[in-house]
Amino acid sequence: DTAVSQTPKYLVTQMGNDKSIKCEQNLGHDTMYWYKQDSKKFLKIMFSYNNKELIINETVPNRFSPKSPDKAHLNLHINSLELGDSAVYFCASSPAPTGGTDTQYFGPGTRLTVL
Amino acid sequence: GQNIDQPTEMTATEGAIVQINCTYQTSGFNGLFWYQQHAGEAPTFLSYNVLDGLEEKGRFSSFLSRSKGYSYLLLKELQMKDSASYLCALGGFQKLVFGTGTRLLVSP
Repeated sequence: DTAVSQTPKYLVTQMGNDKSIKCEQNLGHDTMYWYKQDSKKFLKIMFSYNNKELIINETVPNRFSPKSPDKAHLNLHINSLELGDSAVYFCASSPAPTGGTDTQYFGPGTRLTVL
Repeated sequence: GQNIDQPTEMTATEGAIVQINCTYQTSGFNGLFWYQQHAGEAPTFLSYNVLDGLEEKGRFSSFLSRSKGYSYLLLKELQMKDSASYLCALGGFQKLVFGTGTRLLVSP
């Protein structure tokens, strides 16, 4: 039983292309997140959605567009990929927005390599 | 920013005890979390502290002092499988803000 799943696991693409990463959670959580982990392993939040509504956008370039068709899914579309977008992207979910003690559960990550 | 700092790397021996520190410079958070991340894998939840003091969970304990801006994760009876990165994170304002992470290497 996979709690938070992401596809694809690996993504290799050329600069300038557009790509999407999909995320699904079967935990019944209300809130989903996208994080970026760079080559130095620093994990930084990009977006969060609560019940399909955007609640956090951490000054991410507008080439990145998240979409939540329902509360179990949060997809990330990236336009005009740049070399600096190469990273591991993690999806996560929590019962409610992490205002206090709600634990976040992470997906397996998508390693994006832009050539 | 919240300036969450951790040592970059630590080494320890199997069976030993290790303490991983986390310091931060904000009072604006609701809870402090610790996550474990093995190489190439997702972060997994270990523990959290809301109030000052020690929370014990088997071989792992976490401590928080809000007045000192300080937390630590204590790992006892170290095992080889504990070799991983340990991430401290502050929870509040509807998000987690992670520290720089500490890579722990456990040797036989």
